Amino acid sequence: EPEVTQTPSHQVTQMGQEVILRCVPISNHLYFYWYRQILGQKVEFLVSFYNNEISEKSEIFDDQFSVERPDGSNFTLKIRSTKLEDSAMYFCASIWGGSSYNEQFFGPGTRLTVL
Amino acid sequence: LAKTTQPISMDSYEGQEVNITCSHNNIATNDYITWYQQFPSQGPRFIIQGYKTKVTNEVASLFIPADRKSSTLSLPRVSLSDTAVYYCLADGSSNTGKLIFGQGTTLQVKP
Repeated sequence: EPEVTQTPSHQVTQMGQEVILRCVPISNHLYFYWYRQILGQKVEFLVSFYNNEISEKSEIFDDQFSVERPDGSNFTLKIRSTKLEDSAMYFCASIWGGSSYNEQFFGPGTRLTVL
Repeated sequence: LAKTTQPISMDSYEGQEVNITCSHNNIATNDYITWYQQFPSQGPRFIIQGYKTKVTNEVASLFIPADRKSSTLSLPRVSLSDTAVYYCLADGSSNTGKLIFGQGTTLQVKP
């Protein structure tokens, strides 16, 4: 069964450093998302991406965040200058978009630890 | 996007049927009810979606009364591996829109 993959599984970085989280969505999917989950809290929407542009973003997704689909397979989330409060699990998700169901397929997540 | 309310936690024993009820009093005509499951340290996973009456798949059943102000996710004969957080969502804005998760219901299945 096709699945969304994410790398790395765990990223440790120093405050102020740039990080890039990578995702490979399911190959025929057209809509892509990033969510985050701070430890013990709920899953929060960050951004959605379709047709090579951002379709929606949350208040969390400020100028420090950016997304890119550089090569038609990878979908990346960049945090330019990490803060302690960016420590969280980051989940990538994708969906084909041709179904009546909003069944988003999530990856296993990247645990980001900012020291 | 309707606000949903569900119990914070539930306990059950292996082999029992578990019913998790979600309240969505302000559900709109075009809102669908969707349930996701999340295991520790994993991403959420779609379980089931419905609009009204009853929907069943290989994992669960979803019961939605005529007024659609609540829904019940039914897990038959749970096992230890069903220990997870279960999220109820009610949204009809788009079949490709963002998902808005609440706190969910933490189900603990005991031996």
